Order: sequence, then structure tokens, then C-alpha cells
Amino acid sequence: DADVTQTPRNRITKTGKRIMLECSQTKGHDRMYWYRQDPGLGLRLIYYSFDVKDINKGEISDGYSVSRQAQAKFSLSLESAIPNQTALYFCATSDRPRAGGRSQPQHFGDGTRLSIL
Amino acid sequence: AQTVTQSQPEMSVQEAETVTLSCTYDTSESDYYLFWYKQPPSRQMILVIRQEAYKQQNATENRFSVNFQKAAKSFSLKISDSQLGDAAMYFCAWEKGGSEKLVFGKGTKLTVNP
Repeated sequence: DADVTQTPRNRITKTGKRIMLECSQTKGHDRMYWYRQDPGLGLRLIYYSFDVKDINKGEISDGYSVSRQAQAKFSLSLESAIPNQTALYFCATSDRPRAGGRSQPQHFGDGTRLSIL
Repeated sequence: AQTVTQSQPEMSVQEAETVTLSCTYDTSESDYYLFWYKQPPSRQMILVIRQEAYKQQNATENRFSVNFQKAAKSFSLKISDSQLGDAAMYFCAWEKGGSEKLVFGKGTKLTVNP
């Protein structure tokens, strides 16, 4: 079983619809992230959460919201989807830094391909 | 803002040969990390290799190695003995120490020819 699970894997929807993408992890990590990938642009950070009560905006948070329901669950919502939000969305997790503040690498889910017509 | 530049949108290599993918970054930070991620057609994001800026020794993972030139802000990935399974998009990424936020380059598509 995957350590970081994203659902759905693919989704096609219409403009104006509310969409929720879900992410769950069994790695026991505190940190969770949502990224968006567009062709030719790499991945960009939407939101991140260092624990259940700590949620922060990333580079491109406009038009998105998140909810950290538990340590293991972090969902991304598009309140009113628009076509330029068509993209591949990734959830990632990482463990808290080690002694001395050494960051830990991020582990990604398999992505959700979202198409908005 | 920090930027990561991958100047080669596409590269190709013959099976069993060696290929080097380029990455440069722009930062005034002294404490940071650099990564290479692989994204095969299955679209997973797989961590290939990680380098801590304070370490002078270049990181190596089996057939994958990096050439980290801190003064030049360059972080290239060398793949030796290329295999068909190495065909993928490769992303270079930068993280400020302690921020835990990755900044990605735009990627290089690697084709491996049999």
C-alpha cells in the first residue's frame, strides 16, 4: 500500500463546481503539502501544514483552501473551479527536522489529475 | 525570490551511456538543500538524490551522482550506465534550510534510446 494516498486519481468536472482532493498518509509525518504541476512550469506550492493547527499559504494559494482534519489527512478544496485550475495536483509529506534543524525530504503521492471544463 | 533554472528542456542518451542534466539556482542563503526528483510516465515524484549545502562531498546514489559547485550555484545530475527505466522528467529543487518548502525548476525530459 502507498504511504501517501491521493484520491481521486483523476477527475473531470465543470466550471463553478466545488471540488475536494484528499490526501492521507501512513508515514506518521507531521508536515503535509499541496503542490500544483503545470506543463513547462514544474511544481508550485499551494498550501502547507506543519501540524493540525498550523496551516500556511504557499506561492499560489488564491482560489484554494485546505483542511487538516488529522495528522494523517490533508485535503485541498477548490470552492468554485475554473478552467485555469486544470493541472496535476500532488500531496507530499515530510518528517519533522532532525536534531540541529536538518530538514527531511518530502515524499509524494501519485497525484490527482484534475480537468475543469 | 529564489529561482531554480534547468536550461535543458529535453535531453537524450543512448542506453549504457552517461548523461548530465544541468541545474543552476539563485540564492543568498547559506543553509539550504538541493534535490533531484524523477517523474516517470506513471507521474510519481521519486526522490533521486539530496545534497546538503554545508557538505562539500558530492552525493551519490548508485548510478546517480551530483556535481555540486556551491560558488557557481550549480547542481548537475550525472546518470551513469543509463537504462531504459531512467526515461523520465527530472526536476531540480531547492529548499532553504528549515523552511521545508521546495522550489522546483521546470524540468528536463530525458529520453533513453535503446
